[in-house]
Amino acid sequence: AQKITQTQPGMFVQEKEAVTLDCTYDTSDQSYGLFWYKQPSSGEMIFLIYQGSYDEQNATEGRYSLNFQKARKSANLVISASQLGDSAMYFCAMRESQGAQKLVFGQGTRLTINP
Amino acid sequence: GAGVSQSPRYKVAKRGQDVALRCDPISGHVSLFWYQQALGQGPEFLTYFQNEAQLDKSGLPSDRFFAERPEGSVSTLKIQRTQQEDSAVYLCASTAHISSYEQYFGPGTRLTVT
Repeated sequence: AQKITQTQPGMFVQEKEAVTLDCTYDTSDQSYGLFWYKQPSSGEMIFLIYQGSYDEQNATEGRYSLNFQKARKSANLVISASQLGDSAMYFCAMRESQGAQKLVFGQGTRLTINP
Repeated sequence: GAGVSQSPRYKVAKRGQDVALRCDPISGHVSLFWYQQALGQGPEFLTYFQNEAQLDKSGLPSDRFFAERPEGSVSTLKIQRTQQEDSAVYLCASTAHISSYEQYFGPGTRLTVT
């Protein structure tokens, strides 16, 4: 069974600093996808970034990058030059590439950016 | 273009009442998902549709939960005889194609059972 672990319930960072949100996963499948979503207080889940298990390069999307270490089964999210608007809950998720289309989510990390 | 919409945004039900939650996916999106998010937790999968076919309902917690998508667009999640443990945010998501990886989420319906 798939499992996602986010060990940081809360993170506090000064504005403009970089921040790393940790995510480890467990799966016996060779083909899978890893995702990060942002959930502001409004409740909507906003897709940030995706990494396929066979992608050799780390995914990047603007200020977001995914530090993918396959052997360690980790997929940490790095946010560069943090902004006040980055304050939100962040969820790591995984999906098998074959079979079920569902996402399996971690418990989330609440990120607070201080001015 | 419009995103995924859900209604109502908030629902208060007395224990034992039936409720119906609606999801309007992005027009033309093939796949539709329902998730349940308890307070302080990550979303948990409930069920999945591909067009009108319900291909996976392994996450539905009991036979009180029922979902349908009769014409392959709008979906309704129905909960019969609501219990307090059903209190949660119910999220709907859709994807454009079967092979698409990005799921677009709606704002959710917050259900409170008193």
